[in-house]
Amino acid sequence: AQTVTQSQPEMSVQEAETVTLSCTYDTSESDYYLFWYKQPPSRQMILVIRQEAYKQQNATENRFSVNFQKAAKSFSLKISDSQLGDAAMYFCAYKGNTDKLIFGTGTRLQVFP
Amino acid sequence: DSGVTQTPKHLITATGQRVTLRCSPRSGDLSVYWYQQSLDQGLQFLIQYYNGEERAKGNILERFSAQQFPDLHSELNLSSLELGDSALYFCASSVRIAGGLDTQYFGPGTRLTVL
Repeated sequence: AQTVTQSQPEMSVQEAETVTLSCTYDTSESDYYLFWYKQPPSRQMILVIRQEAYKQQNATENRFSVNFQKAAKSFSLKISDSQLGDAAMYFCAYKGNTDKLIFGTGTRLQVFP
Repeated sequence: DSGVTQTPKHLITATGQRVTLRCSPRSGDLSVYWYQQSLDQGLQFLIQYYNGEERAKGNILERFSAQQFPDLHSELNLSSLELGDSALYFCASSVRIAGGLDTQYFGPGTRLTVL
């Protein structure tokens, strides 16, 4: 069975600085997709970024980028120029041959002014 | 705003009762997913419907059931409620591109409190 592990329960960063959130996963599938979702205090789940496993190029969305290391089964999220509005829970998620998303336990990110 | 709507936002009920949560997917999305977020279990997949038919089941209790109607909205029915059923229930929808990058967009969730 596939698993997703987020080993950092909490992280903090100063405004305008850069922070990296870690995610590792375990799978025997060759085709899969990886996602980062953000859950602010409103509890809404918001898609941040997504990556196809067959693509070697790391996905980027404005200040958000990933470091996808397929061999190491690692999918970290880098947030550049952190803003107060980035404070939230961040969930890493895996989607393989089935349609369901498998989530990690989340990392709570605090942003300090 | 993801385009996925869920009602009600909050629900408070007593043990042993039955409730229905409603979800309307984004326009054009045929697939609906239900997830449960609780403190002890995290975010867990419950069930998926695609174009009116059940597609996949996850960790869904027998006391829970769901359906997707011809207009593609979905309902999650929770019966014989227990204290442990208190959680945030999310609906998500997607186009469902088989074997492709199929992104799920989440609704705002329904907060269920069982007293």
